[in-house]
Amino acid sequence: GDSVTQMEGPVTLSEEAFLTINCTYTATGYPSLFWYVQYPGEGLQLLLKATKADDKGSNKGFEATYRKETTSFHLEKGSVQVSDSAVYFCALRFILTGGGNKLTFGTGTQLKVEL
Amino acid sequence: DTEVTQTPKHLVMGMTNKKSLKCEQHMGHRAMYWYKQKAKKPPELMFVYSYEKLSINESVPSRFSPECPNSSLLNLHLHALQPEDSALYLCASSRGQSNEQFFGPGTRLTVL
Repeated sequence: GDSVTQMEGPVTLSEEAFLTINCTYTATGYPSLFWYVQYPGEGLQLLLKATKADDKGSNKGFEATYRKETTSFHLEKGSVQVSDSAVYFCALRFILTGGGNKLTFGTGTQLKVEL
Repeated sequence: DTEVTQTPKHLVMGMTNKKSLKCEQHMGHRAMYWYKQKAKKPPELMFVYSYEKLSINESVPSRFSPECPNSSLLNLHLHALQPEDSALYLCASSRGQSNEQFFGPGTRLTVL
């Protein structure tokens, strides 16, 4: 079945450090890929997306490129801030024949940024 | 209005109680979703509604009963829950099949 594998956390970085959170997927077909972020006590917010191979999603300094050859969608940011501390979920999405779509999430990676 | 709202924010209930969770969106989205999220885990899909019809039930126990009275509103009726059902319940919506899901802030449910 479809699945998403994320690097284990927690990841602890100093402010202004470079961030990479690895995400690989297994899927039949060509899913769309997403990164969602969850701040403590809140719901999930869409961070960025890519709908086809070689697409690059970007938002708020975060970037990820849909790599079909390596089935990966790694999240990067050049300089993290304390306010980036949160849990990051990689997800793939397939369209449902009955309507709507289905997200399959990775286990989540907790990021903690310290001063 | 560009958000999904959920009420209540917190709910504590006994195993014999009946309660309901409410989710609302006014973005004209035609698909709506219920997820369950346990601590330090990813969300798990429970139900999908498309154009007010149940599209997916991910083998959820019958003590959870979803309802979509109109295109803006999604309810989750709870009855005879177990302590292990304590979790964050998230609602989401999407414009259509090909569009991203937007999540509400969730209802924190505790079953005593």
